[in-house]
Amino acid sequence: AQSVTQPDIHITVSEGASLELRCNYSYGATPYLFWYVQSPGQGLQLLLKYFSGDTLVQGIKGFEAEFKRSQSSFNLRKPSVHWSDAAEYFCAVGAASGGSYIPTFGRGTSLIVHP
Amino acid sequence: GAVVSQHPSWVICKSGTSVKIECRSLDFQATTMFWYRQFPKQSLMLMATSNEGSKATYEQGVEKDKFLINHASLTLSTLTVTSAHPEDSSFYICSARVTGVAEGRREAFFGQGTRLTVV
Repeated sequence: AQSVTQPDIHITVSEGASLELRCNYSYGATPYLFWYVQSPGQGLQLLLKYFSGDTLVQGIKGFEAEFKRSQSSFNLRKPSVHWSDAAEYFCAVGAASGGSYIPTFGRGTSLIVHP
Repeated sequence: GAVVSQHPSWVICKSGTSVKIECRSLDFQATTMFWYRQFPKQSLMLMATSNEGSKATYEQGVEKDKFLINHASLTLSTLTVTSAHPEDSSFYICSARVTGVAEGRREAFFGQGTRLTVV
C-alpha cells in the first residue's frame, strides 16, 4: 500500500522568502503525485501533478515540484512567498491500477507567512 | 478545470437525526466519487469509494450502516450520516474523477466540503 509523509507540521516563512515543503512517498512502482492547497473551511485545490515525463513540474500560483525517484520525494517549492499563500498544503500519491487510482494524502503542512 | 459542488456547505443537526450531503459533478460525468472525512488540523481520511450503479466500497473501520452512500447517477453521489452523534461532527469532502480519460486529465476534483456539527 502507498503512503505519504509530510515531515513538517508547520512551516513559517517571511513574505518574499523562498519556500520548500517536503513530501516523501512509499510505493513500489512509479506513482502519480499531487500537491493540493486548502484554505480554512474550504475544499482542496490542485496546485500541480506528476504522472510521467519531466521530473520538474510547474503548477499554478508560481509553485513547482520536483520528482526525485532516488529519494522517493516530491518537494514543493516557490521562490517568493506571498501572504495569500498561507494555507494547508497536502501531498498525495495515487497508485495506478487498471487506469484508476485512489489518492492517499499526507497529514498536511500548515504554512504561516509573516509580513 | 472540472467543477464539483457539495451541498450543503454547513449543516447543524440534532443528535439522533440523519443528514444527507450531496456531491455533484457539474460539467462532467463521474463514474467514481470518493468521500473523505477531515478532522481539525489533520489530513483527509478516505471513507469510501462510490461507483455509479453499484455498492460503495468502504474503508476499514467505516460503518457502512451509519454512512450510507448512494451513487445513483453519473453526476450525483450522496452521503447520509444516519443517527448522527456529536462524534460525527467533522468536515466531509467529496471528490470526483472521470475514468478512462487521457492521462493528462487523470486527476480528482474536489468539492468545497461540508461542515457538519451535531449538537
